[in-house]
Amino acid sequence: DAGITQSPRHKVTETGTPVTLRCHQTENHRYMYWYRQDPGHGLRLIHYSYGVKDTDKGEVSDGYSVSRSKTEDFLLTLESATSSQTSVYFCAISGTGPSFYGYTFGSGTRLTVV
Amino acid sequence: DQQVKQNSPSLSVQEGRISILNCDYTNSMFDYFLWYKKYPAEGPTFLISISSIKDKNEDGRFTVFLNKSAKHLSLHIVPSQPGDSAVYFCAASGAGNNRKLIWGLGTSLAVNP
Repeated sequence: DAGITQSPRHKVTETGTPVTLRCHQTENHRYMYWYRQDPGHGLRLIHYSYGVKDTDKGEVSDGYSVSRSKTEDFLLTLESATSSQTSVYFCAISGTGPSFYGYTFGSGTRLTVV
Repeated sequence: DQQVKQNSPSLSVQEGRISILNCDYTNSMFDYFLWYKKYPAEGPTFLISISSIKDKNEDGRFTVFLNKSAKHLSLHIVPSQPGDSAVYFCAASGAGNNRKLIWGLGTSLAVNP
């Protein structure tokens, strides 16, 4: 979907290094989410944002931090990457009103920590 | 403790037949339910939804049924096509939780030609 882009699409990094993933939206939606998808675990919420500078933890937030200084950008940072953070990361956006409950997802970032 | 459960990890169906994907939930406060479809190497895409005040919603070949008393919903795909082969996620949401969706683990559907 052109309204949401994730970068990079693929990344290989070494254990212990910091990594930042970017989610950019052009829909002016209020809500943004970061998920990780792993076999056997489905989609797990890492952090989410309900406005600029307003963020909160999800169910698997340990080792991750986020920032949202502008409506359009939501950054996910792995402070010190570990092998357990090898995963596919998805960003999602959601607005308000009739389409509120529908999330639009980005194409994902495949992160490998070696 | 999973609030949304998809008990069948996989399902295989012949082309042209009906596919039925099931989802159970435990939280009676959920008021909106959604189905998403996911192809490999892509993000999930919204498929169909239903409000808790309804028991059926239809969109083309896709119909979602909600049985509130049983806390059960199902997605029917008729007729199934090979392009429907994907992972299907059930999700639920309720008021007062910043509209976070609670997700099932997904069911992988294979539609065989």
